[in-house]
Amino acid sequence: KAGVTQTPRYLIKTRGQQVTLSCSPISGHRSVSWYQQTPGQGLQFLFEYFSETQRNKGNFPGRFSGRQFSNSRSEMNVSTLELGDSALYLCASSLYGRDMGDQPQHFGDGTRLSIL
Amino acid sequence: GIQVEQSPPDLILQEGANSTLRCNFSDSVNNLQWFHQNPWGQLINLFYIPSGTKQNGRLSATTVATERYSLLYISSSQTTDSGVYFCAVEIVTGTYKYIFGTGTRLKVLA
Repeated sequence: KAGVTQTPRYLIKTRGQQVTLSCSPISGHRSVSWYQQTPGQGLQFLFEYFSETQRNKGNFPGRFSGRQFSNSRSEMNVSTLELGDSALYLCASSLYGRDMGDQPQHFGDGTRLSIL
Repeated sequence: GIQVEQSPPDLILQEGANSTLRCNFSDSVNNLQWFHQNPWGQLINLFYIPSGTKQNGRLSATTVATERYSLLYISSSQTTDSGVYFCAVEIVTGTYKYIFGTGTRLKVLA
């Protein structure tokens, strides 16, 4: 069974640009969550999607947005990039998400975004 | 908001040694997971353990939800155990959210 796939693995952008990252969950998983990891702030929750609906959102500005398609694949978009957006962006999928028993999250390898 | 603290922050072990990593959380949680992030940045799910004890090979974990802590035990450590260990809690409040701990950086020396 294929794991969570994130593309691209590495990305370099300049300030002011926008970027779109992609995440394909494990087959059959319907919940996709996004996280940002930086040396200073650690791992922080961005948002979670379930059945094409954003179910929860972390404490990030509106420049960070996402969506989920009917096949559960998800994209994350960051507009007007800032130097501080340089980070490892991780995507995780789980079967259902909350309230459904033992449903651990499985992570992709991440996209490392560098802003120049 | 909820605080998730891990200790120790850094740990250096000789290969073959045992260790205990701790995760304290300040509020009630729905669930708790332990992860290992290897030197290449990959996060690997170790345990999904809202309560009780689980074992998987040389690793085991115990969560005492009523006392708001979880422990990860590593026995007979190997160099491949090196990396950062995170606990993450799913909080109980109205909306679903995962909060990660600060991590324990482990280095196992040959």
